[in-house]
Amino acid sequence: AQSVAQPEDQVNVAEGNPLTVKCTYSVSGNPYLFWYVQYPNRGLQFLLKYITGDNLVKGSYGFEAEFNKSQTSFHLKKPSALVSDSALYFCAVSHPRGFNKFYFGSGTKLNVKP
Amino acid sequence: DTGVSQDPRHKITKRGQNVTFRCDPISEHNRLYWYRQTLGQGPEFLTYFQNEAQLEKSRLLSDRFSAERPKGSFSTLEIQRTEQGDSAMYLCASSLSSGRPTSTDTQYFGPGTRLTVL
Repeated sequence: AQSVAQPEDQVNVAEGNPLTVKCTYSVSGNPYLFWYVQYPNRGLQFLLKYITGDNLVKGSYGFEAEFNKSQTSFHLKKPSALVSDSALYFCAVSHPRGFNKFYFGSGTKLNVKP
Repeated sequence: DTGVSQDPRHKITKRGQNVTFRCDPISEHNRLYWYRQTLGQGPEFLTYFQNEAQLEKSRLLSDRFSAERPKGSFSTLEIQRTEQGDSAMYLCASSLSSGRPTSTDTQYFGPGTRLTVL
């Protein structure tokens, strides 16, 4: 069965510091991995995705994510956090033969303090 | 590109009533998905369409739920005889797909319809 784990319900970081939001997955074969952000009363906004190739993927708003096949992880990172980055972040995985059906993690609330 | 829109944004209903939600995808997107999100959880897949064909339904989609996409454009999700457990955010997403099973298209989400069943 496909699954995604976001081990931290909440991440707190000071503005200007680097941030990491963790994601691990369990999918047979080679998965496709995505990160989305959700602001209050808004839908999910796409940040970035990993399909194949370079393990470091760059996305919107200065975010990047590193795919690590041996650790089955896809952690989201940003070198310098902004207060406006405070939101709910979701990792998602789709199976290559799953017609792009997404399996989402439970989400991580990022709090960036001034 | 006006994005994915959903209507209504909020719906409050009494247990036992029927409700219908609408989703308008990004124009020319051939795939449309419905997800359900409860408080503190990530979205859970309900069903998806390739053009007008409904290709997969989750076990979460009981017989009280039905979804349609009659002309391959907008979609409706109907819940009959609503129960308090149906209270959730219902999200719609769309994507432009080549149609192959191994497509890697990005899904773009609407703002959601928040359903409260009293």
